[in-house]
Amino acid sequence: GAVVSQHPSRVICKSGTSVKIECRSLDFQATTMFWYRQFPKKSLMLMATSNEGSKATYEQGVEKDKFLINHASLTLSTLTVTSAHPEDSSFYICSAETRQRSSYEQYFGPGTRLTVT
Amino acid sequence: RKEVEQDPGPFNVPEGATVAFNCTYSNSASQSFFWYRQDCRKEPKLLMSVYSSGNEDGRFTAQLNRASQYISLLIRDSKLSDSATYLCVVRRDTGRRALTFGSGTRLQVQP
Repeated sequence: GAVVSQHPSRVICKSGTSVKIECRSLDFQATTMFWYRQFPKKSLMLMATSNEGSKATYEQGVEKDKFLINHASLTLSTLTVTSAHPEDSSFYICSAETRQRSSYEQYFGPGTRLTVT
Repeated sequence: RKEVEQDPGPFNVPEGATVAFNCTYSNSASQSFFWYRQDCRKEPKLLMSVYSSGNEDGRFTAQLNRASQYISLLIRDSKLSDSATYLCVVRRDTGRRALTFGSGTRLQVQP
């Protein structure tokens, strides 16, 4: 199947700093990528939909000025958590979408575990 | 009300047992349905898509009832390696195509 990478896999940062997470589709082009967040023992929740060359669409309750998304190419989307606080500590997972014949398939990256101290 | 509801479990079953998970969804615009498996501290991995006619993949059988907005997963002859959290997932195929996840059902298969 298609491969999606995320970097870094885990990061520990101090409160107030910014963290950038990269999501890459390695063997296919993805016009759409999705960013999810998962808190312990909770389900994955969609944060935003990222379309190549256009502004991301954020879900209700997700601050676009705090979670900056850039989808500059068909294989790369980045999520920057600005001025991170301990409550932003979570598992951030991206997925990249590709169209297969008449259906869409999403492939997940391995996730980034963010800990803000 | 959550858009996708699952019994969180845990389901503790012996090896070789048959176990069934259920899921209901509230958005009738949902068009595609999946079961994902998530191991601890890992990303979810697609287990199988779910079709109205029902489908089987080895020891796994999935069923969809659109009228009742109900999805099921049956695992036969459970293995220790089946221990994981099983996520019921739905998606619209037009417009907003993001996946909507249930909170998962935890399965622990015991020797």
